[in-house]
Amino acid sequence: AQKVTQAQTEISVVEKEDVTLDCVYETRDTTYYLFWYKQPPSGELVFLIRRNSFDEQNEISGRYSWNFQKSTSSFNFTITASQVVDSAVYFCALAAFMDTGRRALTFGSGTRLQVQP
Amino acid sequence: ETGVTQSPTHLIKTRGQQVTLRCSSQSGHNTVSWYQQALGQGPQFIFQYYREEENGRGNFPPRFSGLQFPNYSSELNVNALELDDSALYLCASSLKSGTSTDTQYFGPGTRLTVL
Repeated sequence: AQKVTQAQTEISVVEKEDVTLDCVYETRDTTYYLFWYKQPPSGELVFLIRRNSFDEQNEISGRYSWNFQKSTSSFNFTITASQVVDSAVYFCALAAFMDTGRRALTFGSGTRLQVQP
Repeated sequence: ETGVTQSPTHLIKTRGQQVTLRCSSQSGHNTVSWYQQALGQGPQFIFQYYREEENGRGNFPPRFSGLQFPNYSSELNVNALELDDSALYLCASSLKSGTSTDTQYFGPGTRLTVL
């Protein structure tokens, strides 16, 4: 079975603070893919990053960075110098095999981030 | 914007009715997946279509059905609506290429309210 846990339901920070969103996953697949999506109030899920299980290099994109640790089954997301526009619900997702050999996304329950001015 | 469009934006139905939701995939994408997102929860996988055939299904009853058309657009049909079907329905398109796992790009969703 595949499972994604986002233990932080809601986080509130003040603008310019750094914030880390936690994601822990479970899978028996040896090859898997992890994603982060952002969901602003409009509802559309916005793709942020994809990481495959063979690549444990951390990645930085502007103010965003991701820390993938296979040993602890974690894929955490850090926003540096947060801004009000970062306020949204953030979802971590795992691409898991279906019987057809294709993968479907299993999502965590999301973390609501509120950045106060 | 992803180029994935969904219609309608909002829909109100009564229990027992049937509903059809529509999705146009991003240009060049051949796979469409549907998800149900209840309030305050993460999206749950309903099913996926590839080359006009269902290519995997989540834990949803048969009254949830779908279609994919030759232009890769898709429909989600729900029969005998129940109050618990009230949710945001998200469509995602992706490109299957060999054995790679495709990134799914989501549309804005259709919010369904069942009274």
